[in-house]
Amino acid sequence: GAGVSQSPRYKVTKRGQDVALRCDPISGHVSLYWYRQALGQGPEFLTYFNYEAQQDKSGLPNDRFSAERPEGSISTLTIQRTEQRDSAMYRCASSLRSSGGRNTGELFFGEGSRLTVL
Amino acid sequence: GNSVTQMEGPVTLSEEAFLTINCTYTATGYPSLFWYVQYPGEGLQLLLKATKADDKGSNKGFEATYRKETTSFHLEKGSVQVSDSAVYFCALKSGGATNKLIFGTGTLLAVQP
Repeated sequence: GAGVSQSPRYKVTKRGQDVALRCDPISGHVSLYWYRQALGQGPEFLTYFNYEAQQDKSGLPNDRFSAERPEGSISTLTIQRTEQRDSAMYRCASSLRSSGGRNTGELFFGEGSRLTVL
Repeated sequence: GNSVTQMEGPVTLSEEAFLTINCTYTATGYPSLFWYVQYPGEGLQLLLKATKADDKGSNKGFEATYRKETTSFHLEKGSVQVSDSAVYFCALKSGGATNKLIFGTGTLLAVQP
């Protein structure tokens, strides 16, 4: 498709289960970002990639969260041993990378994956 | 650290009314500033941006001016339409090497016919 695609759109899981959220960025976009958005809040940065390299993972809340982008395109955010506090909308975004290696701030967001942990 | 503060919503206006959504920021250095909009059922999309002091970003009748002296980037529109109903997010990108956007909490705008 033309936009950023995320799946699943909705995921309900039981506490303690692992979940994997997928993001398919816009074709040709070098940079890919993961954000988490709690209800009534703005998106909170988790991690980002340039190509397959994870450049910054400082926003991942703990070691239960991990992300990969092995071929520099599709990315997976994995949450192990889910807890109720992990319930949120998980948003993926992609962008072109400027020649200086810094993005211009224009991120193209997917519709998000809403995770509910019971 | 860097942060963004937006006025709380919801903001409810009648069609053709004047809109202001306040945004102030705290940042070191010289950040770039953005407004993103999220229409119902869709992802966030860039509305406008400004990369240095006194720059004015504009798009679809919306404007915002980067005011360094007041650390503000207020969003304005002279005449809102029902189709402008959405959540608006103010955001900043640090002027350093980081590629992270820091978002405000968002402001829900509801425009009534």
